[in-house]
Amino acid sequence: DTAVSQTPKYLVTQMGNDKSIKCEQNLGHDTMYWYKQDSKKFLKIMFSYNNKELIINETVPNRFSPKSPDKAHLNLHINSLELGDSAVYFCASSQDITGGNTIYFGEGSWLTVV
Amino acid sequence: GQNIDQPTEMTATEGAIVQINCTYQTSGFNGLFWYQQHAGEAPTFLSYNVLDGLEEKGRFSSFLSRSKGYSYLLLKELQMKDSASYLCAVRDGSGYSTLTFGKGTMLLVSP
Repeated sequence: DTAVSQTPKYLVTQMGNDKSIKCEQNLGHDTMYWYKQDSKKFLKIMFSYNNKELIINETVPNRFSPKSPDKAHLNLHINSLELGDSAVYFCASSQDITGGNTIYFGEGSWLTVV
Repeated sequence: GQNIDQPTEMTATEGAIVQINCTYQTSGFNGLFWYQQHAGEAPTFLSYNVLDGLEEKGRFSSFLSRSKGYSYLLLKELQMKDSASYLCAVRDGSGYSTLTFGKGTMLLVSP
């Protein structure tokens, strides 16, 4: 069974569209994250949720809106997509918000905006 | 702010030993992680250091010196499958579990 799963794996869409990426973890973890990996392979935190509550919101355009219906799910909705949003988006989870916990990543969602 | 530096690329030969260095400057410190990422795949956890010294796990070892803001990942008996990007990541002193990643070191292992 996949521990952290996200869909879709590949997404090609036009500028201006709105799209969502879904994420689910079956590890019983309290904390979930969205990371963005750009074309230079730099992996950067976007959001962190703990028990459905937003904990960390890095400097991300407000076109990006995460939603956590329960602690096992963290979806990412992106409005008015731009070319620069093309990247790989990784969902991840950890046992809880405190230090010392390993972060486990999903397989990634490859978003291409044309 | 956070700053994590590691070499962009390294090459090595099958069977050899390679050391990938990472230096960091962070607001507080609460642990350093190494992840391996093969092309087109998710990062996978390799090691975690929070105290000074060497942690050994099979062919992979990781070292930490907190006073120097320095870590290295040592890979022994290199195999072709070790060709991947190796990401150094630091957890700061905020108390939160979020990791800040370096830009990764692409290791190419040749026959």
